[in-house]
Amino acid sequence: QVQLVESGGGLVKPGGSLRLSCAASGFTFSDHYMSWIRQAPGKGLEWISDISSTGTTKYYADSVKGRFTISRDNARNSLYLQMNNLRGEDTATYYCVKDATMTIFGVAIPNWFDPWGQGTLVTVSS
Amino acid sequence: QSVLTQPPSVSGAPGQRVTIACTGTSSNIGAGYDVHWYQQLPGTAPRLVIYGNTNRPSGVPDRFSGSKSGTSASLAISGLQADDEADYYCQSYDTSLSGSVFGGGTKLTVL
Repeated sequence: QVQLVESGGGLVKPGGSLRLSCAASGFTFSDHYMSWIRQAPGKGLEWISDISSTGTTKYYADSVKGRFTISRDNARNSLYLQMNNLRGEDTATYYCVKDATMTIFGVAIPNWFDPWGQGTLVTVSS
Repeated sequence: QSVLTQPPSVSGAPGQRVTIACTGTSSNIGAGYDVHWYQQLPGTAPRLVIYGNTNRPSGVPDRFSGSKSGTSASLAISGLQADDEADYYCQSYDTSLSGSVFGGGTKLTVL
């Protein structure tokens, strides 16, 4: 079955950096868009970034643009999120998610997120 | 402030039917983008329960149904059970933000 396992979360000081990883199994990783979605403690869900199956196309929410970088290694079935210049408001559980976005005639058709990993907690605090 | 608007809470007795509304605008739901729904049980990751406005993934009971009209969508849960108690989120795509957007979430309480 499809499994997504995140790692790399932890406590970091404001202005610091962290790199999250997601190990994928149970499906052909290189065929699918992937996303990162986060949830601040006691709050709702926020999509922050996704990446096309080949890694050539990347999208970011305004809240993280210029600070976070999404990447993937299809040979290792892995997804990454490099987070720089972290702020207190970045404190959240970060979920790695298989994205059902499909490309038709070169146009990305956004879809749903399924399944989700168990999440990794990032805490930004001095 | 979430792009999609949901009521903060709904409740119902076991066996009853409840609906959760999700209201968007002409740049997301009203632009024709599909709406998807997620259930998040306490302390767990979200789980897809409705995709493409009306479709149920395998393993989701047919007590769950979805609909969409204009700039709004709704999730209905019939025959409420205690283990339906969870937070529910709607999700779509927004052309002006060039990204996926979520509702603020609705806490379902089974009385």
